Amino acid sequence: DVKVTQSSRYLVKRTGEKVFLECVQDMDHENMFWYRQDPGLGLRLIYFSYDVKMKEKGDIPEGYSVSREKKERFSLILESASTNQTSMYLCASSHGQAQHFGDGTRLSIL
Amino acid sequence: GENVGLHLPTLSVQEGDNSIINCAYSNSASDYFIWYKQESGKGPQFIIDIRSNMDKRQGQRVTVLLNKTVKHLSLQIAATQPGDSAVYFCASRLDDKIIFGKGTRLHILP
Repeated sequence: DVKVTQSSRYLVKRTGEKVFLECVQDMDHENMFWYRQDPGLGLRLIYFSYDVKMKEKGDIPEGYSVSREKKERFSLILESASTNQTSMYLCASSHGQAQHFGDGTRLSIL
Repeated sequence: GENVGLHLPTLSVQEGDNSIINCAYSNSASDYFIWYKQESGKGPQFIIDIRSNMDKRQGQRVTVLLNKTVKHLSLQIAATQPGDSAVYFCASRLDDKIIFGKGTRLHILP
């Protein structure tokens, strides 16, 4: 089975902090994704990557950046956290078809 | 573009009955569809997928039906159990991009 591991289940940070969310997958998938999930809005794509050192903006990239230095690891960075970035963050990986998700990081920005 | 939507935000089903969860998509060029299950506190879990050249696919206790004429797909769960209680959402692929619906919460009545 595909295993997508997000480093933190819950995280509390303060406004203005730089926040790192880490994601690791163990199936050698080329594609990795970061989403945020908010009530009534569903899953919204922040950034994705189809290869090492490659990144593409999704639908809502503002306020975020990503890093993919190794194939198995895809990091989401909040450069200067704001309260409207309080959300559930989900990482996913895929090999062409269905995406496989981690269990999410519930991030609260105070 | 593509819009993916579910018909009902919530669905209540008697334990042991069959559940049918519906989803509509807007773009006839969508070529691949996925159903996910998301339990409380967990990430979305892949259930079953179907390509646009098929109209039915069966898994263990689940069946996905695809009607391309009306751009509709459904997930049928046989003999619904308490463990089926979750949010279910569909996703479609258009031009290599996956678009997610917002989800139907399935309640199991004892």
